Amino acid sequence: DAKTTQPNSMESNEEEPVHLPCNHSTISGTDYIHWYRQLPSQGPEYVIHGLTSNVNNRMASLAIAEDRKSSTLILHRATLRDAAVYYCILRWGSQGNLIFGKGTKLSVKP
Amino acid sequence: GAGVSQSPSNKVTEKGKDVELRCDPISGHTALYWYRQSLGQGLEFLIYFQGNSAPDKSGLPSDRFSAERTGGSVSTLTIQRTQQEDSAVYLCASSFRQGYNSPLHFGNGTRLTVT
Repeated sequence: DAKTTQPNSMESNEEEPVHLPCNHSTISGTDYIHWYRQLPSQGPEYVIHGLTSNVNNRMASLAIAEDRKSSTLILHRATLRDAAVYYCILRWGSQGNLIFGKGTKLSVKP
Repeated sequence: GAGVSQSPSNKVTEKGKDVELRCDPISGHTALYWYRQSLGQGLEFLIYFQGNSAPDKSGLPSDRFSAERTGGSVSTLTIQRTQQEDSAVYLCASSFRQGYNSPLHFGNGTRLTVT
């Protein structure tokens, strides 16, 4: 499985933007980039996914490098509720399961 | 609408006993997944179902673990002769179908403690 590398932890201030990086230098052409997050004592929840173009939804934006070897999840305005572990995962076309790494633990300070 | 439901939410059992964990996926979701998460650790994939069949059982840690899915809906994960190292949160997820364009929807898990 293609692997991703994320910082173990990051800190942000409330109401400021947050950029969560992910490196995936061995990504293949059929791998999609997925982001999930896990709030304390809850199961993970889907955030966003993309292939080549940048993507936006109500939760976040996903910026994908032109060579696709890295991507950045952008939270435009962090809230205390965004404190969670964020997972960057590669998933190819018809692949069934998701393989989770250790993720980035995001702390948000008031 | 209703999300993925798991029961029980907590289970304490004695070493050596068998346990059954239940997952009710979102209605209409054909793919179902089981993961487990030990304290402070990442998610470990166990098994997934497409309909009633399990194309990938590679994550089941030993033959004490088994899972079934009936009617393309409810799934049960069974752990026989539980050991202390089985203590973890067992998470179930479902998706409309398998593949990149169907996000997984997770339940809040069953916390299993083996004493």
